[in-house]
Amino acid sequence: EVLLQQSGAELVRPGSSVKISCKASGYTFTDYYMHWVKQRPEQGLVWIGRINPANGNTVYAEKFKSKATLTADKSSNTAYMQLSSLTSEDTATYFCTRSTLSHRWFAYWGQGTLVTVSS
Amino acid sequence: AIVLNQSPSSIVASQGEKVTITCRASSSISSNYLHWYQQKPGAFPKLVIYSTSYRASGIPSRFSGSGSGTSYSFTISRVEAEDVATYYCQQGSSNPLTFGSGTKLEIK
Repeated sequence: EVLLQQSGAELVRPGSSVKISCKASGYTFTDYYMHWVKQRPEQGLVWIGRINPANGNTVYAEKFKSKATLTADKSSNTAYMQLSSLTSEDTATYFCTRSTLSHRWFAYWGQGTLVTVSS
Repeated sequence: AIVLNQSPSSIVASQGEKVTITCRASSSISSNYLHWYQQKPGAFPKLVIYSTSYRASGIPSRFSGSGSGTSYSFTISRVEAEDVATYYCQQGSSNPLTFGSGTKLEIK
């Protein structure tokens, strides 16, 4: 069974950074891209970027290039996303989701990690 | 970036009614790369239709999709109470991957 298990909710201060995780199981971690998607409260889905865990290659949406850093640890089958210089605009639920290398639809998702930026 | 214009933004339907959502892309997309999701409150999105017209595993036959080029549609042939959710289209044709703005389906 494919599972993507994300880390728990975070309450962080403005200007700080946060690193959230997504542990994959039930499949070969390096055979699929891992993507990250942002959803602000009561708003739509926004793609942040993706990482190829096999080689660490990353692609980011333009607006997240200086905000998000994606990494992956093959030894623990875990993908990470670090968000820096946090503001209230970063308060959102963040999802990890996987796709094949060629077909970029998302059949499996993590449960989401709520990041709240507040002083 | 390919912009996906999804309409309507909300639908109120009666059980048993047919509903259709459209998704228009700012550039042509191969039908292999247009997908639809259902998201219920507090949950992650669920893949309903992939590659324009293929139902994902476990999806009832009342859900269908069609389209090509820049114009795509998603249909629920007979809405049921459990279909209350927000539906999104998504393109996987080119980076950045993008989603439509969503259509919220409610039952009368």
